[in-house]
Amino acid sequence: DSGVTQTPKHLITATGQRVTLRCSPRSGDLSVYWYQQSLDQGLQFLIHYYNGEERAKGNILERFSAQQFPDLHSELNLSSLELGDSALYFCASSVLTETEAFFGQGTRLTVV
Amino acid sequence: ELKVEQNPLFLSMQEGKNYTIYCNYSTTSDRLYWYRQDPGKSLESLFVLLSNGAVKQEGRLMASLDTKARLSTLHITAAVHDLSATYFCAVDSYSGAGSYQLTFGKGTKLSVIP
Repeated sequence: DSGVTQTPKHLITATGQRVTLRCSPRSGDLSVYWYQQSLDQGLQFLIHYYNGEERAKGNILERFSAQQFPDLHSELNLSSLELGDSALYFCASSVLTETEAFFGQGTRLTVV
Repeated sequence: ELKVEQNPLFLSMQEGKNYTIYCNYSTTSDRLYWYRQDPGKSLESLFVLLSNGAVKQEGRLMASLDTKARLSTLHITAAVHDLSATYFCAVDSYSGAGSYQLTFGKGTKLSVIP
């Protein structure tokens, strides 16, 4: 157990809907990262937050957004969902920006 | 843009045999990671390699890093069925504003057969 908690573990929703994925980082970690794992794109970096502030964006669609709250938990919001958004979404956290990040168990999103 | 290439992508090996997975990356990096992933599960960190010539071993797995060649290897010794999983290498790179991000290879799906 990495200490990073993601909820829910599984999510099934219809096209066009909006969902929110939640991540609680390890105690003391200030950095939160979101990654997407899909069959066709592999593992891709989406976005990085550090102590509430967005630090970097990767291949994140405009329909997706994230935030990190004062208690350091983070949420990834996915809207206008398409079939191609079906994937495993991982959150990872680290103490600082340059230290090793540890991954949560992931949220499996299925869009039908 | 940083590119990370792993090969082979699929590997079927007999128990007791040795094999090596290769990871090439295209630009200078501060750190290289090896992860293991079981189907539908999270990424388990196996090794973190920080400097040229770094070698780390855990059980039947040994990882090495050659930063000049931009190459890392994951060597499997005397494979056992429990090692069946997908193995990813990932390279950490600075993306500005004090942020580092991981770029992953496509993964090597290892099947160890009796």
